[in-house]
Amino acid sequence: EAGVTQSPTHLIKTRGQQATLRCSPISGHTSVYWYQQALGLGLQFLLWYDEGEERNRGNFPPRFSGRQFPNYSSELNVNALELEDSALYLCASTRRGTDTQYFGPGTRLTVL
Amino acid sequence: QKEVEQNSGPLSVPEGAIASLNCTYSDRGSQSFFWYRQYSGKSPELIMSIYSNGDKEDGRFTAQLNKASQYVSLLIRDSQPSDSATYLCAVNPILTGGGNKLTFGTGTQLKVEL
Repeated sequence: EAGVTQSPTHLIKTRGQQATLRCSPISGHTSVYWYQQALGLGLQFLLWYDEGEERNRGNFPPRFSGRQFPNYSSELNVNALELEDSALYLCASTRRGTDTQYFGPGTRLTVL
Repeated sequence: QKEVEQNSGPLSVPEGAIASLNCTYSDRGSQSFFWYRQYSGKSPELIMSIYSNGDKEDGRFTAQLNKASQYVSLLIRDSQPSDSATYLCAVNPILTGGGNKLTFGTGTQLKVEL
């Protein structure tokens, strides 16, 4: 069974640009979660998508947004990038009705 | 008070020893508890989950849950240098989570020394 996949592996942007990160959940999983992990810090919850709907949102500004597609894959968009957005962005997925999250390898976003 | 608290460490243990990692949580209604391992620069990897009071064993790992004390721990027997990583405790907090959102602790860094 293939795991959660994320693309790209690395992304370099300049301040003010927009970044789009993508995630494909494990086959059969319907929920996708996004986390931000800045260097040396813990996982900060960003967004939770389930069945195409945004179910919960962490304490992040509106320039962090995303969506989930009919095939349950998801993308995270970060507008007006700031230097402090530089972090590892992690995607996780769960099967319907469960709360065990499996993580993808992450996207390392660097904002210059 | 943080929702999920862990000692940041580093916790240093000699090779072959038992490593004991601890986690406390604030939401008394929490029902699901998880331990993840994260190597530097990598993503978290699920070690095990526990839902009932008591011990749950999986190979060299044992998770222990005490809901009355709001405490969950992870024991690693016969610690190996490859166990050196940051261990994250995660909880599904009923009161503040909403659905299946997990709250993570900041992690404990474990160093297994030769």
